[in-house]
Amino acid sequence: AQSVTQLDSQVPVFEEAPVELRCNYSSSVSVYLFWYVQYPNQGLQLLLKYLSGSTLVKGINGFEAEFNKSQTSFHLRKPSVHISDTAEYFCAVGAPGGATNKLIFGTGTLLAVQP
Amino acid sequence: GAGVSQSPSNKVTEKGKDVELRCDPISGHTALYWYRQSLGQGLEFLIYFQGNSAPDKSGLPSDRFSAERTGGSVSTLTIQRTQQEDSAVYLCASSLARGGGEETQYFGPGTRLLVL
Repeated sequence: AQSVTQLDSQVPVFEEAPVELRCNYSSSVSVYLFWYVQYPNQGLQLLLKYLSGSTLVKGINGFEAEFNKSQTSFHLRKPSVHISDTAEYFCAVGAPGGATNKLIFGTGTLLAVQP
Repeated sequence: GAGVSQSPSNKVTEKGKDVELRCDPISGHTALYWYRQSLGQGLEFLIYFQGNSAPDKSGLPSDRFSAERTGGSVSTLTIQRTQQEDSAVYLCASSLARGGGEETQYFGPGTRLLVL
């Protein structure tokens, strides 16, 4: 079974500052890793995903994440945030080759960008 | 093109009543998923459809919850005898389902259910 931990429920940051949102996962098999963003009153939108290959993954809106197998982590980063990045961010894990394509999500991190 | 749509966007019901939530996936997407988002529980998987069949129903919390999909397209999630703990946002997602779990799931805006 897989699980995902997002240790920070809320991350306040000032505009134009860098940010890192932490994600750790647990799995006995290889995994696919995803970051989704949810803006207020909207559904989830994919930011980026790691399937294989290069451990540094670049996504939309200037976000990137690095897969670290030894630390079982997939932290999300952005060098300079904007007010419009205020949203809830979810890390998720999927298992390749299984009978289901379901995603297991973390509890989310609210990124609050302040002017 | 059109994204995943869900209806109603909001639903208020009384405890004990049945509710039906509808999901229209992206055209051509064979896989469809239901998730529930509630305070304190985060996002929980409910059920996965491949075509009209549901190979994974492991997330349905009780036998009051059921779902069906017809014509490989529209899906309905039914909650019978609603309880206050069923209050949540119910999210539907769809994907091409080429297999392997690597594909992007596209989410609808959700149905916000409030059970009084």
